[in-house]
Amino acid sequence: KAGVTQTPRYLIKTRGQQVTLSCSPISGHRSVSWYQQTPGQGLQFLFEYFSETQRNKGNFPGRFSGRQFSNSRSEMNVSTLELGDSALYLCASSPTDGSNQPQHFGDGTRLSIL
Amino acid sequence: GENVEQHPSTLSVQEGDSAVIKCTYSDSASNYFPWYKQELGKRPQLIIDIRSNVGEKKDQRIAVTLNKTAKHFSLHITETQPEDSAVYFCAAGFDNYGQNFVFGPGTRLSVLP
Repeated sequence: KAGVTQTPRYLIKTRGQQVTLSCSPISGHRSVSWYQQTPGQGLQFLFEYFSETQRNKGNFPGRFSGRQFSNSRSEMNVSTLELGDSALYLCASSPTDGSNQPQHFGDGTRLSIL
Repeated sequence: GENVEQHPSTLSVQEGDSAVIKCTYSDSASNYFPWYKQELGKRPQLIIDIRSNVGEKKDQRIAVTLNKTAKHFSLHITETQPEDSAVYFCAAGFDNYGQNFVFGPGTRLSVLP
């Protein structure tokens, strides 16, 4: 099975722009979670989608949003980019609809804001 | 909300020695505790996990112990090898609907040859 695929791998944007990141989960996985990883804050949970619905949400401002499509692929959008949004954005998928299931991570998208 | 602390932040051991990383959590409702290994420039990979109805779990050189009363869990790596060098993250999962994890800040393990 192919692993979790994230595109693009690298992205450079300027302040005020918006960006969309994409995540394709492992085939058959229906839960997709997004995380922000920075050296200072570690891994922070953004949100989780299941069956095209946001099921859980972390403590991030409304500039961070996401969606999931019927094929379980997910996108994350960040509007009005700030310098502090520079980070590695990781996507993880899980195989079942239950709680607390093992997660499989993608390689991430490294976003740099100039 | 849940808070996960992890110690030490850095750990250096000689090859062949054991390494222990400890995590504490605050929310007694958390009932799933995975550990991830992240090598430099790579994705986090699940190496072992434990649920609150189990006190210990072992997989070859890796073991995890859980003390629900004290709200702490630990990762034990025996006979360390240079390829064990990485950042290790613990996490706590809530007993709610779906996936909602809080991660510890990570431990950078260096295994010296």
